[in-house]
Amino acid sequence: EVQLLDSGGGLVQPGGSLRLSCAASGFTFSSYAMSWVRQAPGKGLEWVSAISGSGASTYYADSVKGRFTLSRDNSKNTLSLQMHSLRTEDTAVYYCAKVASAGFWSGDVDYWGQGSLVTVSS
Amino acid sequence: DIQMTQSPSSLSASVGDRVTITCRTSLDIRNDLGWYQLKPGKAPKRLIYGTSSLVSGVPSRFSGSGSGTEFTLTISSLQPEDFATYYCLEHNNYPPTFGQGTKVEIK
Repeated sequence: EVQLLDSGGGLVQPGGSLRLSCAASGFTFSSYAMSWVRQAPGKGLEWVSAISGSGASTYYADSVKGRFTLSRDNSKNTLSLQMHSLRTEDTAVYYCAKVASAGFWSGDVDYWGQGSLVTVSS
Repeated sequence: DIQMTQSPSSLSASVGDRVTITCRTSLDIRNDLGWYQLKPGKAPKRLIYGTSSLVSGVPSRFSGSGSGTEFTLTISSLQPEDFATYYCLEHNNYPPTFGQGTKVEIK
């Protein structure tokens, strides 16, 4: 059974940093690209970032480019989203998600974590 | 970027009703569209992929149709556990884009 466990959310001041993690199990982690998707309070879903199975390629939404860094440790089946220069508009529930097809990145995701709340406020 | 229009933004329906949600795209996305169900505090759940393929384990009252620029999610007979928010996702373009969501509420 595929499981994705998001962690690391919390309260941070504007301009601060936070690191989210996602622990994966139930599939061959290194074979699949992974994504992060967020949902701001009262808003819809927004794709944030993605990384290839090897970790060699990363992709970012314009809204987070230059501030967020996505990485993965295939030996530990974990995904990490390092967030810097956080803004109030980054306040959201962040979900890690598994890309549906092995071997290449696409926006098509099948399994999601339960989400981790990030609140950026002074 | 591609423009996605999901409608309606919310609807009220009764158990047993037939419900239809639509997503329209500004570009032809072939059949690269999926549907997801979100409930508070739970992991989002994929219902439909490739426009019309039902995810294993999802009840057959859910169905998807469409092609090109217009897509539909239909719930043939709404059940109590179906009250949730539904999103479409197109992944033919970069970045992948979600619809605005449809909240299905109890009438």
